[in-house]
Amino acid sequence: DAKTTQPPSMDCAEGRAANLPCNHSTISGNEYVYWYRQIHSQGPQYIIHGLKNNETNEMASLIITEDRKSSTLILPHATLRDTAVYYCIVGNNAGKSTFGDGTTLTVKP
Amino acid sequence: DTEVTQTPKHLVMGMTNKKSLKCEQHMGHRAMYWYKQKAKKPPELMFVYSYEKLSINESVPSRFSPECPNSSLLNLHLHALQPEDSALYLCASSQSEVFGGEFFGPGTRLTVL
Repeated sequence: DAKTTQPPSMDCAEGRAANLPCNHSTISGNEYVYWYRQIHSQGPQYIIHGLKNNETNEMASLIITEDRKSSTLILPHATLRDTAVYYCIVGNNAGKSTFGDGTTLTVKP
Repeated sequence: DTEVTQTPKHLVMGMTNKKSLKCEQHMGHRAMYWYKQKAKKPPELMFVYSYEKLSINESVPSRFSPECPNSSLLNLHLHALQPEDSALYLCASSQSEVFGGEFFGPGTRLTVL
């Protein structure tokens, strides 16, 4: 299973876009990229996933590079409630996709 | 109904106790999971049930015993736990084991004395 690398922490100003990077250089052709977030003491929350194409939903956008070795999660207008640990996970089988250490995003007023 | 519920929210138990954690979902999902999360660490997968059958056991000690009575329910039976087993126990479900996008419950905060 492919591993992911994320920066341990990032800050973002409230109202600005938050761009969270993830490296997954060993991703294989049939593995998806998933993003989750975990607000303190709550269960993780699914955000978005993609295979090759960029994806957008009501929460975020996911940009995957053409070689699929990295991706970026974009929160277009970050709010204080977006402060959380963001996990990038790669896999094609939910049972074999492991959480890495994630990025702690702090949105500041 | 798009949520996973877990009971109890908090549990304190002694090392000789037997207790159970419960998880329920009514989304028609056929895969259900137990994760363990220590403080400031990512969740670690413990068990996966697919179509009510145990499909993955990540070398979890036998003092943790999962059970899937039906497609909506998942239990985790606890016996003779150690203080180092204190953690947040998370249940999750997804449409199938192949598809990700898991829905997580709020977790049970377990303290073993």
